[in-house]
Amino acid sequence: DSGVTQTPKHLITATGQRVTLRCSPRSGDLSVYWYQQSLDQGLQFLIQYYNGEERAKGNILERFSAQQFPDLHSELNLSSLELGDSALYFCASSATTGSGSPLHFGNGTRLTVT
Amino acid sequence: AQTVTQSQPEMSVQEAETVTLSCTYDTSENNYYLFWYKQPPSRQMILVIRQEAYKQQNATENRFSVNFQKAAKSFSLKISDSQLGDTAMYFCAFIRYSGNTPLVFGKGTRLSVIA
Repeated sequence: DSGVTQTPKHLITATGQRVTLRCSPRSGDLSVYWYQQSLDQGLQFLIQYYNGEERAKGNILERFSAQQFPDLHSELNLSSLELGDSALYFCASSATTGSGSPLHFGNGTRLTVT
Repeated sequence: AQTVTQSQPEMSVQEAETVTLSCTYDTSENNYYLFWYKQPPSRQMILVIRQEAYKQQNATENRFSVNFQKAAKSFSLKISDSQLGDTAMYFCAFIRYSGNTPLVFGKGTRLSVIA
């Protein structure tokens, strides 16, 4: 158990809809990362937060947004969903930002857009 | 930008044998960290091993060891005494020592351990 909690585990929704994925980092970790893994692909970095502030941004679509709350949990919002957004979305946390702190991953949220 | 390349999309190994997974990376940085993550069929991402670039000694974790060649920008993973539970996707990953940059992953190598 990595200590990172993601909910829900599975999500099935229709095109055009909006969903929210939730992540609770490991206790004490200040940094949260979101990654997208499409079928049989590697992990694509979406966005990183550190102690409530956005720190780095990857190829995140404008239809996607995220935030980290004062209690350090994070939410990833996906709107105007398209079939191509179907993927496994991972949240990961680390103690610090950069500096080699290993990322600890949640079990992911599998999103299916129909 | 940093890139990570895993040139072996798929590999297989007999149980109890040794296998080596390749990884190369491209960076102009001198200080950085390298990781191998394992993703079994359950889809969890599990940290296997970590290497600091400033350490010449290769990291080892039980049956897992790395061959880190900094000048060649190579970071291979050796799995000894392979077990059926080692069947998984293996991802090599890179992160700069400092700065707000994310962990960059390779595309992965699918390893099958055969009984």
